[in-house]
Amino acid sequence: GNSVTQMEGPVTLSEEAFLTINCTYTATGYPSLFWYVQYPGEGLQLLLKATKADDKGSNKGFEATYRKETTSFHLEKGSVQVSDSAVYFCALSDQGGYQKVTFGTGTKLQVIP
Amino acid sequence: EAGVTQFPSHSVIEKGQTVTLRCDPISGHDNLYWYRRVMGKEIKFLLHFVKESKQDESGMPNNRFLAERTGGTYSTLKVQPAELEDSGVYFCASSPWTDLNNEQFFGPGTRLTVL
Repeated sequence: GNSVTQMEGPVTLSEEAFLTINCTYTATGYPSLFWYVQYPGEGLQLLLKATKADDKGSNKGFEATYRKETTSFHLEKGSVQVSDSAVYFCALSDQGGYQKVTFGTGTKLQVIP
Repeated sequence: EAGVTQFPSHSVIEKGQTVTLRCDPISGHDNLYWYRRVMGKEIKFLLHFVKESKQDESGMPNNRFLAERTGGTYSTLKVQPAELEDSGVYFCASSPWTDLNNEQFFGPGTRLTVL
């Protein structure tokens, strides 16, 4: 079955530091890949996605590239802000608009001033 | 446009009691999903409705959990009787009926604590 493995947290960074959160996956076929974010007290929000190999998803300064050869979808941001403090979930779903999403365990990021 | 809403936001009950969670999807979304995150672990799929029909309920942990979606609008998830291991955050998500868009829109979740 499908599975997602992401680095365990918590991750603590100083403001303006570079962020990488590693994510690898196991799936049959060609899944769509996602990063979701949950800010304190809020629900899950889609941060970015990629639907085919070598696609790069980006949003709010975050980027992730769909690497089929390494089955990875690492999240990066060049300069984090305090407002980026949240829990980040890597996820995948099989192609098709009504497939269940398989999530990783989540990585808590804390950015300190 | 209103997003996915869930009620209540928090629920604290004792073991053996019954709790009903409610989810209102985005208007017009035929697909409705329930997920659960137990403490510190991954968010796991519970089940999927297409309109009022259960499309996939492979993630439901046991027969103490009952989900319904009467009329294909809002959905309820009842836990009866609740056990300690049912504690966690229950998320609902919805999406339109399409093959082109994989995005599911999530609600804020209901935090369930069973004492």
